[in-house]
Order: sequence, then structure tokens, then C-alpha cells
Amino acid sequence: EPEVTQTPSHQVTQMGQEVILRCVPISNHLYFYWYRQILGQKVEFLVSFYNNEISEKSEIFDDQFSVERPDGSNFTLKIRSTKLEDSAMYFCASSENRAINSPLHFGNGTRLTVT
Amino acid sequence: AQKVTQAQTEISVVEKEDVTLDCVYETRDTTYYLFWYKQPPSGELVFLIRRNSFDEQNEISGRYSWNFQKSTSSFNFTITASQVVDSAVYFCALIHGSSNTGKLIFGQGTTLQVKP
Repeated sequence: EPEVTQTPSHQVTQMGQEVILRCVPISNHLYFYWYRQILGQKVEFLVSFYNNEISEKSEIFDDQFSVERPDGSNFTLKIRSTKLEDSAMYFCASSENRAINSPLHFGNGTRLTVT
Repeated sequence: AQKVTQAQTEISVVEKEDVTLDCVYETRDTTYYLFWYKQPPSGELVFLIRRNSFDEQNEISGRYSWNFQKSTSSFNFTITASQVVDSAVYFCALIHGSSNTGKLIFGQGTTLQVKP
């Protein structure tokens, strides 16, 4: 069964550094998402992306965050200057159609640790 | 406002027991979708089920069953004859029907521990 693939599985970075989290969505999917989960807490929506632009972003997704689909297969989340509170598990997801019509398929996540 | 509440933080059962995970939601929309996801210790989120607000028929899939009741705004999940491999965090989630953006609202999650 096709999967959403995320790399790396674990990223450690120092405060203030830039990080790029990478995702390869399922190939025929058109809608892409990033969610995050701070340790022990619920999963929170960050951003959705369709047709090469952001559809919606949450209040968490401030100017430090950006997303890109650079080459038609990868979908990346960049954090420009990481803060300690950015430490979390970041999940990429994709869906074939709008989420109300088809379920989101999540990747295995990237655990980001900011020291 | 939309909200999903999973009041049970942790549940511990012994293998072969049945267990029900509660989910209560709030929304003003008449059209919405409810989901359950499983997060095993390895961390990934595994899709289990999606139901729309117009379909109150209960669903059974193997040892899993779901009870959707609009009258009480609940979408409870029952595992019959639980197994150790069912140990995971289970999340209930909601999306409103007019959403074009895939913004799922998750509950806090219920940690299920199944002991041998």
C-alpha cells in the first residue's frame, strides 16, 4: 500500500538554526498537510497546501514557518530560526481529494529536538 | 467553535477484555466528518475510520466497532477481545463539511494499555 514517507525520522538542531523537514506524499494525492504533536499532547494542524499554495494555516504557523513543493514529489516544511518550543513530532499527511471526501494518510513523523 | 473531547486519558485492561474509548464532539455544522486514528508506540498515525454526520449506522470491522450517536454528539470506539497489539494512543478527530483545507480537530487522545 502506498505510504507517505518522511525524512529524517529524528532531527536534532540548536536553537536559532534553520531546519527543513521533508515529505514524499502518496503519488496521486493532491492535498498536502503538516501537523505537529508536542510530546504527550494532541495533534495540531499547522498548514494545508493545494495547487502550489497554502489553503489554510493555523496561528502556530507564523513567519518562521514556510512550506514548499519544490519538484512535484517532495513537500517540505522549513523552520527558519528554531526555538525550544518547536520541539515536537511533525507529521506530514496527504489526501487524494479534499479531506471531507478522502481520509488523510499520515507519514511516520519527524521528531524534531531543539537544544 | 469545534472541539473534540476524549475524557479518558488512560485505560488499562487485561487481554481479551472489551474496551470502549469515548469521544464527544462539538460543532455547529450540520455536515461534518469524524475520524479515529491509532498511534502505536512507534509513533505513526494510522487511519481507522471516517464517518459523515448523515450516516449514523454503526460499523463493525473485525474486533473494532464504532457507535455514532448524533443525539449525544458521541462517536465511541469499542475493541472486542483486546490484544496486546492494541496498546496505543487513540485519537478521535473532527472536520467540518465545508472545509476545503483538511484542518482536522483532534481530541487529546486516550492511551490504551492492554496487559497480557
